[in-house]
Amino acid sequence: NAGVTQTPKFQVLKTGQSMTLQCAQDMNHNSMYWYRQDPGMGLRLIYYSASEGTTDKGEVPNGYNVSRLNKREFSLRLESAAPSQTSVYFCASSSESEQYFGPGTRLTVT
Amino acid sequence: GDSVTQMEGPVTLSEEACLTINCTYTATGYPSLFWYVQYPGEGLQLLLKATKADDKGSNKGFEATYRKETTSFHLEKGSVQVSDSAVYFCALEGGGGNKLTFGTGTQLKVEL
Repeated sequence: NAGVTQTPKFQVLKTGQSMTLQCAQDMNHNSMYWYRQDPGMGLRLIYYSASEGTTDKGEVPNGYNVSRLNKREFSLRLESAAPSQTSVYFCASSSESEQYFGPGTRLTVT
Repeated sequence: GDSVTQMEGPVTLSEEACLTINCTYTATGYPSLFWYVQYPGEGLQLLLKATKADDKGSNKGFEATYRKETTSFHLEKGSVQVSDSAVYFCALEGGGGNKLTFGTGTQLKVEL
């Protein structure tokens, strides 16, 4: 049982480049989330999806877009990367009582 | 809005020492409270949770009690091990949609 998987694990972008972070879960969860983790700031919610076909902004959505492709997959897109988006990005999915996290993507924007 | 405040780290302890990591929260209504743990290079894992006042969550020797009167959910362990070295996050879920609000995390280092 793979749980929550994320690709890629590491990525370096130049300012202005675009990329998509992929996330998939095999637990049949309705809800999925994207967080960023920065030193001294904990995890902050970027976007979430309560069910297939719906997405909503979280605390820090600016500069990002998301797509809930189907029940399994929830992607995060950076259209024009900025150095302020250097971070570790975590995807999660949830049952009613617990969120399950992927291993993270470490993104550096130079 | 909802917020979680936890003690800053790093916290460095000797093996078998007692651990307390403080966590207080601000929320409307009656949130559920969680402790997550992040081992180096990994994602977060749920350590324990409590869903109502006076509930005690426990797992792997860790405990935390939901104290509504002091809006606290302090993490405790009687005897830490080197393998407990990790970052610990306090979190609450209060607004529906299973969305979590996290504290900033507390790094724990346990030395022999």
